[in-house]
Amino acid sequence: SQTIHQWPATLVQPVGSPLSLECTVEGTSNPNLYWYRQAAGRGLQLLFYSVGIGQISSEVPQNLSASRPQDRQFILSSKKLLLSDSGFYLCAWSVPGIYNEQFFGPGTRLTVL
Amino acid sequence: AQKVTQAQTEISVVEKEDVTLDCVYETRDTTYYLFWYKQPPSGELVFLIRRNSFDEQNEISGRYSWNFQKSTSSFNFTITASQVVDSAVYFCAGKYILTGGGNKLTFGTGTQLKVEL
Repeated sequence: SQTIHQWPATLVQPVGSPLSLECTVEGTSNPNLYWYRQAAGRGLQLLFYSVGIGQISSEVPQNLSASRPQDRQFILSSKKLLLSDSGFYLCAWSVPGIYNEQFFGPGTRLTVL
Repeated sequence: AQKVTQAQTEISVVEKEDVTLDCVYETRDTTYYLFWYKQPPSGELVFLIRRNSFDEQNEISGRYSWNFQKSTSSFNFTITASQVVDSAVYFCAGKYILTGGGNKLTFGTGTQLKVEL
């Protein structure tokens, strides 16, 4: 069966510090991968998605970047965090194809002080 | 563009009551895909059900059922005999294809369900 991992689970970082969140998927090959952010008030926003190694698409301009160095690894980064980067970050994967549902990881709660 | 509306911000029911969560999905696409997710206090989004616009039948799965009315763009989700463990935020989402081959979920703002003893 497939599983998706995210770490760390929680993170408190000062403004201006770098960020690296990691997501890995097990039990599947060539998944589509996604990074979402959920700010206070529950709305989920797609940040990045990837359909293959090294292929990253950004949905919204922001202070963050993403990379996919391996087939089942997706990394969310920032060189300098802003207060507005605080939120709950969720990684998701899906089998390629519009029909298929996305499965989410446990999330990382990021607080920027 | 797609739009998902969940007008109910919060619903409170007593255990064993049935509860229906409303969702309206607006799109110009003739083919689309709708989903319900559950987010318990732990934060993880849990996939519940999927519905395709070309499916003819509404379905039941255990205590969950969903009613899709294409004429009104509604995709309502019902929990029968609710339990305390059903307490969570429920999200309706619609999916469309992105340029480059991926696909995007557009989420509603969620409905907080509280099931009390």
